This record gives sequence, structure tokens and C-alpha cells, in this order.
Amino acid sequence: DQQVKQNSPSLSVQEGRISILNCDYTNSMFDYFLWYKKYPAEGPTFLISISSIKDKNEDGRFTVFLNKSAKHLSLHIVPSQPGDSAVYFCAASKGKIIFGKGTRLHILP
Amino acid sequence: KAGVTQTPRYLIKTRGQQVTLSCSPISGHRSVSWYQQTPGQGLQFLFEYFSETQRNKGNFPGRFSGRQFSNSRSEMNVSTLELGDSALYLCASRPTGDYGYTFGSGTRLTVV
Repeated sequence: DQQVKQNSPSLSVQEGRISILNCDYTNSMFDYFLWYKKYPAEGPTFLISISSIKDKNEDGRFTVFLNKSAKHLSLHIVPSQPGDSAVYFCAASKGKIIFGKGTRLHILP
Repeated sequence: KAGVTQTPRYLIKTRGQQVTLSCSPISGHRSVSWYQQTPGQGLQFLFEYFSETQRNKGNFPGRFSGRQFSNSRSEMNVSTLELGDSALYLCASRPTGDYGYTFGSGTRLTVV
């Protein structure tokens, strides 16, 4: 039973353009959502989060949007940079934190 | 400020053996969670401890167990290892009332 779904295993984006990573969830009781970034051989690093009472949160080049009616959130990275190439995990919390399977983002030169 | 420390970084065990992994959280963090990462499965939640008590548990068999000590350090144990237990085991800690986990670099367990 996968409560947090990232349906795109990978995504390639040209450097300087916008990267949009998507995430869907099934449990309407989730009250907090997070995005993590992971490089090989390292643990995930917290990127940005959003409470279920908001629909947008921005931090520099990163913006997370939450659409509660659609049970969908997205992470926008603009402009995309080579160092953004990594695996991105979406996560949702109601007590314990549940992660999606991740999307590998490739930033092309 | 030291991060989350996991030991050992790499481990090779034989099927049927047992293993203990260790995690030292960030100082002051009382919540510690464990995740298993395998290719194609993402991060799967094992359990969460807070103040020496297991607060949440994932859908793993009873061979997987954990504990937390009074100094918030945590260990997880896997008994009767199977080949499918080969994975990266990640520990994460967070401050009370905060949702943002800080992860360690993980322990790469290989079962042969």
C-alpha cells in the first residue's frame, strides 16, 4: 500500500530551465509534507517542507506547491543547476514520515 | 554541531547471521527513526523511537527490532539475515516538535 507516490522514476532538464517534480498521496490525514534530496553514498538532505494548511512555500530557487483537493504536491526548481542532479524524495507525515520511491533528476549542460 | 553518526558504514554478513547497527543522533534530538533503502523501493519506514519508547512501526517482520537508550542513541538489530535484507539502512533524528529529519550517511549491509 503505497501512500506516497512519485510516478516519474527519472527526469532530465536543461540547465537554466525549470525542473518540476511531482508527488501524489492517498492519505488525507497527512498534515505535513517534505522534500529531500539524495546524492549517492550519502543520506537524504532536507530541502523544503509545507504544512497542510498552506498551498505554497518558497525558499530561494525551490518552491513547493500543495493541492489538497487533488492530493498532489510538486517541487519547482528554477533555474536548474548542475548540482541539482540527484534523487529527490517526497515525504508525508502523520506521526511517522512516509517517503515516496524517489525521482532521479538529471540536469543537462 | 555533529550530525547523525551511523556505524559501521559497511557490513558484510552471511545468511542466517544477525547484525546490530548503531546510530548516534544529533545532540538534543530525542526522536530517532530507521529506514531501509533498496533499489526501486525508496525509503521504507522501519520504526521510530522517542525517549526510549517505540512510537511507530513499519511493516517489517519481527526479525527487525530496535531500541533507544537514555542518551537517545539507538540500535537496530536484524536476526536470521536473508539475502533480501541487503540494503542501505538509514537513521534519522529530529528535534521534538519538528518534522525535518536529519539523516546519517547510512550503513550498507550486504548479506551473502
